[in-house]
Amino acid sequence: DTEVTQTPKHLVMGMTNKKSLKCEQHMGHRAMYWYKQKAKKPPELMFVYSYEKLSINESVPSRFSPECPNSSLLNLHLHALQPEDSALYLCASSLQPRPYEQYFGPGTRLTVT
Amino acid sequence: GIQVEQSPPDLILQEGANSTLRCNFSDSVNNLQWFHQNPWGQLINLFYIPSGTKQNGRLSATTVATERYSSLYISSSQTTDSGVYFCAVQAQGGSEKLVFGKGTKLTVNP
Repeated sequence: DTEVTQTPKHLVMGMTNKKSLKCEQHMGHRAMYWYKQKAKKPPELMFVYSYEKLSINESVPSRFSPECPNSSLLNLHLHALQPEDSALYLCASSLQPRPYEQYFGPGTRLTVT
Repeated sequence: GIQVEQSPPDLILQEGANSTLRCNFSDSVNNLQWFHQNPWGQLINLFYIPSGTKQNGRLSATTVATERYSSLYISSSQTTDSGVYFCAVQAQGGSEKLVFGKGTKLTVNP
């Protein structure tokens, strides 16, 4: 099974709200990733967790706060977002950080109003 | 950082036609993946192919690492093949970062 699940599928939030995106995998993978994809653009890496530790933060604004509570779960906490943060947020995982194949979840489509 | 270029940017085919998508990269890689993104946004893994040739049904891929390119070949295209095809690489000696090309948008008409 190569499934990565993400909830919710869609999220609409105001600029003053706090919400969280959730990602889960049960493949025993030890690396997990958050990507952001704007319309008609390729995905761009935001964060990498390797063995539950944050290993890469691609200079993401602090209104995005990642969390990896255990090896199967990855959260992205959202606070005080801007309309330009509206995008598809994709989670991925791989057996180990590199150079292993990454598997993506279906994404959360976020709209900030 | 490593650069990834995909061509063509757009491709329109009639059902049943064959096509070749190209991915050029600027440095040595230890991971290269091809994805198909469907209209709902799901990225579907097609191939993990840092070198060599693989085939899966009507799709095949070849990566020539020494010449820094990869090709994805789609035969007997179907309307369900429509979508965006991405090539993504991890640089050898680099970080865990998967760098994506800009994609090829494929439209297959019935």
